[in-house]
Amino acid sequence: DAGVTQSPTHLIKTRGQQVTLRCSPKSGHDTVSWYQQALGQGPQFIFQYYEEEERQRGNFPDRFSGHQFPNYSSELNVNALLLGDSALYLCASSLTDLFEQYFGPGTRLTVT
Amino acid sequence: KQEVTQIPAALSVPEGENLVLNCSFTDSAIYNLQWFRQDPGKGLTSLLLIQSSQREQTSGRLNASLDKSSGRSTLYIAASQPGDSATYLCAVVQGGKLIFGQGTELSVKP
Repeated sequence: DAGVTQSPTHLIKTRGQQVTLRCSPKSGHDTVSWYQQALGQGPQFIFQYYEEEERQRGNFPDRFSGHQFPNYSSELNVNALLLGDSALYLCASSLTDLFEQYFGPGTRLTVT
Repeated sequence: KQEVTQIPAALSVPEGENLVLNCSFTDSAIYNLQWFRQDPGKGLTSLLLIQSSQREQTSGRLNASLDKSSGRSTLYIAASQPGDSATYLCAVVQGGKLIFGQGTELSVKP
C-alpha cells in the first residue's frame, strides 16, 4: 500500500512565476491538507480539502490556491511567487479531518 | 489562538541516555496530539498519536504522555541511539488541522 506521494521532489522557480505541486493521498483517505515549512520552523497549515471543496484555510494569501480531484488527489498552486515562498511544502492525508494524519516526503521549492 | 511550544530547541546526549522532550499548548480544547519525527530535508513520520481522552501511548522505546488540563505533553525516549538523531515535532489537532511546535533537534552521540 503506497503512502502519501508528492511530486515533484524539488523545484526551482523565479520570482513572479507560478507553480503547481501535486499530492496523492494514502489509499482509503479522503481528506488532504497542505502545510508550508520554512527552514528551522514547524509546518504551518495552508488549507484542507474534503469532497473536492476547500474546508478550511490558514493565514495564507489568495496567491495560494488548491484543488481536489474525484480520486482525492490534490494540487497546490502558488501564483506570483515571492522569495519568501521558498520552503518545504508538505501534504498530509487522513480519513476525515479528525483521524491520524500521514505526511508525504514533501516538495522543496526554491524561489530565486 | 492556539500556540504550541517545544523545549528545548536542541538537545545533545550520549548514546544510551534516557531523555524527555517537552511540548506545551495554550488551549486545552484539542482533539488529539501527535508526535512526529523529521529527518533533515524529509517529510514527517508519525511516532505516536494520543487521543484527548487518553493519558499516554507507548511504542517500543517511545512513550508519550498527555495532560490536557495543564496543556503539556512529554515524549520519553529510552536508551537513546545515534539513529534517533532527528527533529521531533509535536502537534495538536484543533478544528481539524494540525498546529505544530517549532521542534526539538536531537543529536545522539555514539
